[in-house]
Amino acid sequence: QKEVEQNSGPLSVPEGAIASLNCTYSDRGSQSFFWYRQYSGKSPELIMSIYSNGDKEDGRFTAQLNKASQYVSLLIRDSQPSDSATYLCAVYGGATNKLIFGTGTLLAVQP
Amino acid sequence: DADVTQTPRNRITKTGKRIMLECSQTKGHDRMYWYRQDPGLGLRLIYYSFDVKDINKGEISDGYSVSRQAQAKFSLSLESAIPNQTALYFCATEAGTSADTQYFGPGTRLTVL
Repeated sequence: QKEVEQNSGPLSVPEGAIASLNCTYSDRGSQSFFWYRQYSGKSPELIMSIYSNGDKEDGRFTAQLNKASQYVSLLIRDSQPSDSATYLCAVYGGATNKLIFGTGTLLAVQP
Repeated sequence: DADVTQTPRNRITKTGKRIMLECSQTKGHDRMYWYRQDPGLGLRLIYYSFDVKDINKGEISDGYSVSRQAQAKFSLSLESAIPNQTALYFCATEAGTSADTQYFGPGTRLTVL
């Protein structure tokens, strides 16, 4: 089992829809959770962080964390073509004391 | 100025040549990382350093070496480049607390012919 798992996609959504990106992790002691956006050929850019159960909203982005289910998600409301990118989930492992990245989900927003 | 810089940004070289990629940061972070990314694949960790005296191998360290010259500088070397080392290379820094995350440089696109 991978430490951080994401569906590789591509996830295709129409413009204006809600995109839902999911991530599961194996280390129950994980403390911190991050979402990065990466455009093709560019470096990953941090867009959201979440540390406690529940929802955290920032503009069109909402991160959701459920530690009991070991699940973190990112919702993008009113998706725009400019949101088309790969989204990386990263988890700060309690056991490893290191940040572990998932392989990313490719999101394609269709105009 | 960018917090994490990488030089060069692009490099084309030939098989067997020695190549050094450099990373500098002004964030004051102790931890630094080198990753490679191939098309369609995720980030793969090459080496990481938790402080100037600490160097650790990642999952794909064969064919690479590193040097942590100072807190702010972390270099990656390919002693004898081969074509399957053609990739996008990223440097990242981290404060080392669970409340913080990694910050990436702009990347170096390396092509080995």
